[in-house]
Amino acid sequence: AQSVTQLDSHVSVSEGTPVLLRCNYSSSYSPSLFWYVQHPNKGLQLLLKYTSAATLVKGINGFEAEFKKSETSFHLTKPSAHMSDAAEYFCVVSPGQSGGSYIPTFGRGTSLIVHP
Amino acid sequence: DSGVTQTPKHLITATGQRVTLRCSPRSGDLSVYWYQQSLDQGLQFLIQYYNGEERAKGNILERFSAQQFPDLHSELNLSSLELGDSALYFCASSEEGPPTPGELFFGEGSRLTVL
Repeated sequence: AQSVTQLDSHVSVSEGTPVLLRCNYSSSYSPSLFWYVQHPNKGLQLLLKYTSAATLVKGINGFEAEFKKSETSFHLTKPSAHMSDAAEYFCVVSPGQSGGSYIPTFGRGTSLIVHP
Repeated sequence: DSGVTQTPKHLITATGQRVTLRCSPRSGDLSVYWYQQSLDQGLQFLIQYYNGEERAKGNILERFSAQQFPDLHSELNLSSLELGDSALYFCASSEEGPPTPGELFFGEGSRLTVL
């Protein structure tokens, strides 16, 4: 079985300050992990993914995430927030090829609010 | 543009009615997933098809059904609609199938309002 917990339902930052969106996962097998972003009235778009290569993953728009197996975490960060980053962010876990449910499991989402 | 097309974008209907949501996956993608997004339940997996066959079921009600056609487009049928079915329904596709899905490409969703 697999699950994902996004630790904050809302995160509020000022423009130009760092962003940290937290995600913890549980998976019986070596998982693949993803972060997706959803802007208002839009579909979800992939930000970045981890698939057992480098533990520090760089994505689009300056975002990156670090896979920490010992902490079962995959937190999303960005050094400097931009107004256009305001959106809903989803952490997603998919099982590895060893088996288990192959359906990606989505977290409940974190709403990022960026103040001018 | 993800390459996934969903129609209609908006749909308003009455309780007890039946609607069909349509999804055209990205060219070449064999897997189609349906998700329901509501404020109280978040993003819930409904059902997955791979190359025309049902592969996994999630929290899909018996009043809902889906299928994937030979040209790989998919339809989600919602019947005997209730107020609580009001939600945003997303279709996503991926080029990989079981057991390891790759990146999901999402359509912009179909917003269903049941009055």
